[in-house]
Amino acid sequence: EIVLTQSPGTLSLSPGERATLSCRASQSVDSTDLAWYQQKPGQAPRLLIYGAYNRATGIPDRFSGSGSGTDFTLTVSRLEPEDFAVYFCQQYGGSPPFTFGQGTTLEI
Amino acid sequence: EVQLVQSGAEVKKPGESLRISCQGSGYTFDSYWIGWVRQMPGKGLEWMGIVWPGDSDPEYSPAFQGQISMSADKSTKIAYLQWRSLKASDTAIYYCVRRGGNSFDHWGQGTRVSVSS
Repeated sequence: EIVLTQSPGTLSLSPGERATLSCRASQSVDSTDLAWYQQKPGQAPRLLIYGAYNRATGIPDRFSGSGSGTDFTLTVSRLEPEDFAVYFCQQYGGSPPFTFGQGTTLEI
Repeated sequence: EVQLVQSGAEVKKPGESLRISCQGSGYTFDSYWIGWVRQMPGKGLEWMGIVWPGDSDPEYSPAFQGQISMSADKSTKIAYLQWRSLKASDTAIYYCVRRGGNSFDHWGQGTRVSVSS
């Protein structure tokens, strides 16, 4: 099983600041197989980034993804109030084929 | 518009059976895998398995193998997640998801399942 470890567990920032979230894999992950999701309280998660750096439909360009191999990053360039949420990374590959990180809470 | 609409919340007792559903619309249902993701109270996301609506052939996560069954009916565009005998530890929100490439590009609204004696 490919284990994804996200850091930090909680990130406390203010609107307008830059957020950098990390996702580290226990084995190398193909960049095409790494995604990021955002979950707000009481809502279903939504896809933000697929293929490590491609924004999903309707996602603002302040969200960007980068990385390769075992280290991936989600960056929010200038935080808006609606960006405070929980973020999960997810990979495809191995057995089971899909795994998620444990999540990073982005709080004000 | 792609939509996945799930069945409503359930309250069950341990040992009871349950089937929850996920209705797809706005796309060709049998051209995309449908998966299920569990979120236990206050916890993260766990991938449970995935099913191809074209032939209702599921693949399960080892963590859930033998505990659940998945199916999909391409004629009605509905996917199902089923338990024969629920346990208290099955209390969670269950999301159906559409697989787009190697990520999940659309999510249902979630079905809350509560299991308690």
